Amino acid sequence: AQSVAQPEDQVNVAEGNPLTVKCTYSVSGNPYLFWYVQYPNRGLQFLLKYITGDNLVKGSYGFEAEFNKSQTSFHLKKPSALVSDSALYFCAVRELTGGGNKLTFGTGTQLKVEL
Amino acid sequence: DGGITQSPKYLFRKEGQNVTLSCEQNLNHDAMYWYRQDPGQGLRLIYYSQIVNDFQKGDIAEGYSVSREKKESFPLTVTSAQKNPTAFYLCASSGTIPYEQYFGPGTRLTVT
Repeated sequence: AQSVAQPEDQVNVAEGNPLTVKCTYSVSGNPYLFWYVQYPNRGLQFLLKYITGDNLVKGSYGFEAEFNKSQTSFHLKKPSALVSDSALYFCAVRELTGGGNKLTFGTGTQLKVEL
Repeated sequence: DGGITQSPKYLFRKEGQNVTLSCEQNLNHDAMYWYRQDPGQGLRLIYYSQIVNDFQKGDIAEGYSVSREKKESFPLTVTSAQKNPTAFYLCASSGTIPYEQYFGPGTRLTVT
């Protein structure tokens, strides 16, 4: 069975500093990996995905994520945080084969960017 | 929120009443999904459908029902059998590989 862990419920960072939101995954084969962002009382917005190829994936709003197969991690990063990045972030995984066309989501990490 | 609409945004019902949440997409996606979101629990899959006239139970299907009569529509009924229906409900759809899902704006259901 596929699973995702987001070990931090909340991450605090000062505006202008780099940010990292952690995600580790477990699948029996090769993974598809995704990051989503959710603002209060809104749906989830797709940020970026890893399918294959380069381990560093670039996405929307200056976010990027690094796929590390040996550590089974897919951490979300941004070089310089903005107050407007404050939101709830979800990591998700799907196996390349099987999985019933379903994504498994982590429990989310609340990012707070302060002035 | 892409081409997925959910209505209404807020819904209030009394205990014992069934209620139907609407989800419509114009993305021509084959697959559609319903999730429930509670604080601190992330997203939990209720039902999903990969093709018209077919759907499967997710992780927490008890007390819910769905239909998929049209490709564009995937309504969710919260029945009186659902013990704790107050939550934020999200609908999503996805196309072909790599199957990223696109979400609607959500419906917040409050049952008292």
